[in-house]
Amino acid sequence: NAGVTQTPKFQVLKTGQSMTLQCAQDMNHEYMSWYRQDPGMGLRLIHYSVGAGITDQGEVPNGYNVSRSTTEDFPLRLLSAAPSQTSVYFCASSYLGSDGTSYNEQFFGPGTRLTVL
Amino acid sequence: SQKIEQNSEALNIQEGKTATLTCNYTNYSPAYLQWYRQDPGRGPVFLLLIRENEKEKRKERLKVTFDTTLKQSLFHITASQPADSATYLCALEKYNFNKFYFGSGTKLNVKP
Repeated sequence: NAGVTQTPKFQVLKTGQSMTLQCAQDMNHEYMSWYRQDPGMGLRLIHYSVGAGITDQGEVPNGYNVSRSTTEDFPLRLLSAAPSQTSVYFCASSYLGSDGTSYNEQFFGPGTRLTVL
Repeated sequence: SQKIEQNSEALNIQEGKTATLTCNYTNYSPAYLQWYRQDPGRGPVFLLLIRENEKEKRKERLKVTFDTTLKQSLFHITASQPADSATYLCALEKYNFNKFYFGSGTKLNVKP
C-alpha cells in the first residue's frame, strides 16, 4: 500500500494564480481531511470529508475549495492564491467509527510546501 | 472553538531519562485524545490514542494519561533515546464531530 500520497511536494505561485493540490489514499478510508501547518500554529483543519460526495468546512476554509468524487481522491483547490496561504499542507485519512466518531489514527501524507509570492 | 495548549519551549533531556510532555485543552471534553510524532519535513505519525473513559494507556516505552477534570493529558517516554528527538503533537476530537484540533507541538531533544 502506498498509504496517503500528495503531489506536488513543492510549489511556488504568484499572487492570484490558481492551483490544485492532489491527495490520494489506497486504504479505503471514509474520512479525509486537509490541514495547513504554520510555524507556532500547529495543524489547522481546512476542509474534511466523511465520504464520496460529502464535504464540510474546518477551522480555516476561506480561500480553499474541495470536492470528493471518489473514496480515494480529495483534491484541494486554491482559486486565487494569496501570500497568506504560504504554508505546508498535509492531507490525512482515517476510518470512521460506526457512531460517526473516528476513534482511529489518522494517516498523513508527506506534505506540500507552498510559497505564494 | 477548542483551544489546545502544548509547551512551545523545547524540552531538553539526557538520554535514559523520562520525558514528560503536557497537553491542556479548554471548552468541551473530547471523545478521545491522540498523540503524534512529527520529524522535520515529514507528516505526523500516530503514536497513541486514549479515550475519555480511560485514565492511562501504554505502548512499549510510551505512556499517556488523561485527566478530564484537569482537562489535561500527559505523554511520557521512558528510557529516552536520541532517536526520540522530534516534535510531539496532541490532537482531540469531540463526539460525532469529525473535526480534529491539534496543539502546536512540543519539540523534544534527547542528548546522548
